[in-house]
Amino acid sequence: GAVVSQHPSWVICKSGTSVKIECRSLDFQATTMFWYRQFPKQSLMLMATSNEGSKATYEQGVEKDKFLINHASLTLSTLTVTSAHPEDSSFYICSASIPADTQYFGPGTRLTVL
Amino acid sequence: GNSVTQMEGPVTLSEEAFLTINCTYTATGYPSLFWYVQYPGEGLQLLLKATKADDKGSNKGFEATYRKETTSFHLEKGSVQVSDSAVYFCALVWGNRDDKIIFGKGTRLHILP
Repeated sequence: GAVVSQHPSWVICKSGTSVKIECRSLDFQATTMFWYRQFPKQSLMLMATSNEGSKATYEQGVEKDKFLINHASLTLSTLTVTSAHPEDSSFYICSASIPADTQYFGPGTRLTVL
Repeated sequence: GNSVTQMEGPVTLSEEAFLTINCTYTATGYPSLFWYVQYPGEGLQLLLKATKADDKGSNKGFEATYRKETTSFHLEKGSVQVSDSAVYFCALVWGNRDDKIIFGKGTRLHILP
């Protein structure tokens, strides 16, 4: 099946710094990638949808200047958490899809902001 | 709007017991339905899916049938194992252009040896 990777798998950073998370589709080209946030013992919350070569579409309530998304190629999307604060600590999961097909999820990145 | 409702957990069963996790949906038209599984500390894995009414998805001993008349997609397994302990998410894709997934809240399953 299709494989999606994320890097890093976990990261600890100081408050005020920025953190970049990469999402790659390893064996297919993904026209659309999604970024989710998951709080402990809760479901996934969609943050934004990104299409290769265009600006991301953010869900209501998600700060686009806080969570910068770049989808530079058909196999790579990045999420940058800018000026991170402890409340940004969470589990971030990306997914990649082929049109009219299933979304394939990455293994997630656990971010801890001290 | 479109939504997914699944039974609240946690669900605790003994090994080899029969499992049912209920899932119902609200959607216009004909959504595709999915079950995803999340093992501790990991991302989501697609468990099975069904794209039209009366389709049965199956994988790893799990099954779910797309029932349009009851708007349900209940997950079943005849004999669970300790390794099935995880969180299970029912989800739908309505087929809109951006293929957004609508997830249920998840059901945590504990299997006791």
